Amino acid sequence: EAGVTQSPTHLIKTRGQQATLRCSPISGHTSVYWYQQALGLGLQFLLWYDEGEERNRGNFPPRFSGRQFPNYSSELNVNALELEDSALYLCASSPEGLPYNEQFFGPGTRLTVL
Amino acid sequence: SQKIEQNSEALNIQEGKTATLTCNYTNYSPAYLQWYRQDPGRGPVFLLLIRENEKEKRKERLKVTFDTTLKQSLFHITASQPADSATYLCALDMSGSSASKIIFGSGTRLSIRP
Repeated sequence: EAGVTQSPTHLIKTRGQQATLRCSPISGHTSVYWYQQALGLGLQFLLWYDEGEERNRGNFPPRFSGRQFPNYSSELNVNALELEDSALYLCASSPEGLPYNEQFFGPGTRLTVL
Repeated sequence: SQKIEQNSEALNIQEGKTATLTCNYTNYSPAYLQWYRQDPGRGPVFLLLIRENEKEKRKERLKVTFDTTLKQSLFHITASQPADSATYLCALDMSGSSASKIIFGSGTRLSIRP
């Protein structure tokens, strides 16, 4: 069974540009979570999608947005990039948005903003 | 707001000893607490989940305890091996609150020396 996949592996952008990160969950999983892991910091919850809808978001500005497609894959968009957006962005999926379900993480996308 | 603290950034112990990692939280007790392992450059991998009404959970050489009075979870690895070297994250599920999302600690980097 294929795990969670993310693309691209690495992304280099300059300040002010926009970045789009993609995530494909494990087959059969309907929930997708996005996290930011900056150097020296823990995982910061960004967004949670379930059944195509945004269920919750963390304390991030509106320039962080995303969506979930009918096939449950997801995109994270970051507009007006700032230097401090440089981080590893992790996507995770779970069978459904239930709290006791473990989350299966992808390998991440390393975003570097110059 | 709920905060999580993991006892130290790094822990270095001798192979064969028991490693004990601590996760403390403030405010109200979560319904569930999870532990993950993260290797450098990779996404976290789920290890164990413990519910608020459980005192202890075991899986092979791993043991997790959950003390809602102390607002603390302990994660033990017995007969530690160099392959256990990784960063270990605790995560609280906030289901039951309006947040309904998972919060991760910043992790403890465990090094097992031969």
